[in-house]
Amino acid sequence: EAEVAQSPRYKITEKSQAVAFWCDPISGHATLYWYRQILGQGPELLVQFQDESVVDDSQLPKDRFSAERLKGVDSTLKIQPAELGDSAMYLCASSSRTSGWNEQFFGPGTRLTVL
Amino acid sequence: GENVEQHPSTLSVQEGDSAVIKCTYSDSASNYFPWYKQELGKGPQLIIDIRSNVGEKKDQRIAVTLNKTAKHFSLHITETQPEDSAVYFCAASPPQGGKLIFGQGTELSVKP
Repeated sequence: EAEVAQSPRYKITEKSQAVAFWCDPISGHATLYWYRQILGQGPELLVQFQDESVVDDSQLPKDRFSAERLKGVDSTLKIQPAELGDSAMYLCASSSRTSGWNEQFFGPGTRLTVL
Repeated sequence: GENVEQHPSTLSVQEGDSAVIKCTYSDSASNYFPWYKQELGKGPQLIIDIRSNVGEKKDQRIAVTLNKTAKHFSLHITETQPEDSAVYFCAASPPQGGKLIFGQGTELSVKP
């Protein structure tokens, strides 16, 4: 069964360092999402891509976060510099909307700890 | 913007009992309502969804209902098993797609 792949699964870093997360969506899924999930809460969208274009980055802290999906397939989310408050689970999801509905499938996530 | 409220935040049941989780949403234009199960250290897994043109949907031991008038939808799990223990999230989607708005989650514990 096709799945969303993410790496690394865990990342520990010190504040002010740079970190990067990678996501490979389900093959053929044009839409890719990055969500952040703080412990004990539901995921919240950081950025949405349609193919290689950013559709929604209204909640992305652009002073330190950046995201790209250069060829419209896999994507990278970067944080520089990391802050203590960035500790969270970073989830990638993808959807195709071929069914006409907004079914989103999530990867296993990257657990970030900033010390 | 859209807001989704989910209750209860924790739910403990005996194996074999039923569990019900309820959500309300604020944007009447929302038309797609998925439910996710998240086990510790894993990503959310889509377990069932309901669309605005349907009032009820069932898949084995899991059922969802939608009341568009009240802007309310619910997850029902019957004959609960210990492996059902996890955090469950409801979500709502606008008709044009885009971000899902999630509830706060319900931690379900099924005791053997």
